[in-house]
Amino acid sequence: GNSVTQMEGPVTLSEEAFLTINCTYTATGYPSLFWYVQYPGEGLQLLLKATKADDKGSNKGFEATYRKETTSFHLEKGSVQVSDSAVYFCALSVPVSHASGGSYIPTFGRGTSLIVHP
Amino acid sequence: KAGVTQTPRYLIKTRGQQVTLSCSPISGHRSVSWYQQTPGQGLQFLFEYFSETQRNKGNFPGRFSGRQFSNSRSEMNVSTLELGDSALYLCASTDAGELFFGEGSRLTVL
Repeated sequence: GNSVTQMEGPVTLSEEAFLTINCTYTATGYPSLFWYVQYPGEGLQLLLKATKADDKGSNKGFEATYRKETTSFHLEKGSVQVSDSAVYFCALSVPVSHASGGSYIPTFGRGTSLIVHP
Repeated sequence: KAGVTQTPRYLIKTRGQQVTLSCSPISGHRSVSWYQQTPGQGLQFLFEYFSETQRNKGNFPGRFSGRQFSNSRSEMNVSTLELGDSALYLCASTDAGELFFGEGSRLTVL
């Protein structure tokens, strides 16, 4: 089956520090990879995605590269801000074909809490 | 466009009761999926609906059920509530493989 493993938190950093959150996966087929962010009291928001090997997803200063050879999709940011404090989820989805079209049911990691101090 | 709307946002029930949660997807999105989020188990897929049909189902007991209406709005129902059903229930609508989540319905079972 499909699975996602991400580093346990919390990760505590000072403002402007470099961030890395590790994510590795196992999957059948050719998954798309995602990072979602969840701010306190809110649902998940898509942060970035990559759909094939060597693709780099980026958004709001965050980046992640789809590494098929190491089955990894590590999240990085060069300089974190207090406002980046949230829970980050790595996820994969492999499309499932239906007569009505494809569906994308994600498998999520357990989430990594990031706390950024001023 | 309005986002995904879930109601109610918070609710408290007692063991043995049943609960119905509602989700209105983004206009034009026909696929709706539901997830349970708990500190112990993380985010787990419940089921997915498309055009009023359940297309995929996660590994949850039959007490968890759902449906989708012709306007794509969806409801999920949990019967005979247990303490372990306390969770944040998230709904998402899908467009081109991208999930758009609502803010969730936080259920507390006492």
